Amino acid sequence: DIVMTQSPDSLGVSLGERATINCKSSQSVLYSSNNKNYLAWYQQKPGQPPKLLLYWASSRESGVPDRFSGSGSGTDFTLTISSLQAEDVAVYYCQQYFTPPLTFGPGTTVDIK
Amino acid sequence: EVQLVESGGGLVKPGGSLRLSCAASGFTFSNFNMNWVRKAPGKGLEWVSSISSSGGYIYYTGSVKGRFTISRDNTKNSLYLQMNSLRAEDTAVYYCARDLFFGYGDSYPHGYWGQGTLVTVSS
Repeated sequence: DIVMTQSPDSLGVSLGERATINCKSSQSVLYSSNNKNYLAWYQQKPGQPPKLLLYWASSRESGVPDRFSGSGSGTDFTLTISSLQAEDVAVYYCQQYFTPPLTFGPGTTVDIK
Repeated sequence: EVQLVESGGGLVKPGGSLRLSCAASGFTFSNFNMNWVRKAPGKGLEWVSSISSSGGYIYYTGSVKGRFTISRDNTKNSLYLQMNSLRAEDTAVYYCARDLFFGYGDSYPHGYWGQGTLVTVSS
């Protein structure tokens, strides 16, 4: 199974400042045939279902603000919130969908400092 | 508008069984792979199972293999999860999730989610 790890576990960021979350997979999720990284980022707020933010590591889902961006390839990935807003307080998860079992990272809690 | 509505959750004793359902609307159900994902109290998200659009390919996470069975009825636009031999550690909110895109032979993230149904396994 591909193990996903995230750092940090939690992050306190001032409003308007940058938040950076790291995600690492135990093996590459880059498919060489199409040069795509099978890596997604989700946001979950209390009492709500998860929301897809990014897929293919850096493609933003429709309606997601452009302050959310993703980068990385192979085994190392980053989610960046360029200017934290109050509504961004949530838990963020990375997930690999390269091969079953699909696996999530343990999550990173982002709140306001 | 894509809608996914889960039902069937509740309180069950260890060793018991439960069948979850997910009613889908707003899209051509038979075109999309579907998934179950759960979130236990105080823990992170855990993918449980996936089924391909035709039902021909099925996958499970290791901890539920042999106990849970995913199925679908494309004539009823419905997804199911039969859960047997339930354990306390299966206590969670169970979400039904649709793949973002459809297409044979490829894998996609979970683009649409239901609100979830709570399963509590306790004596």
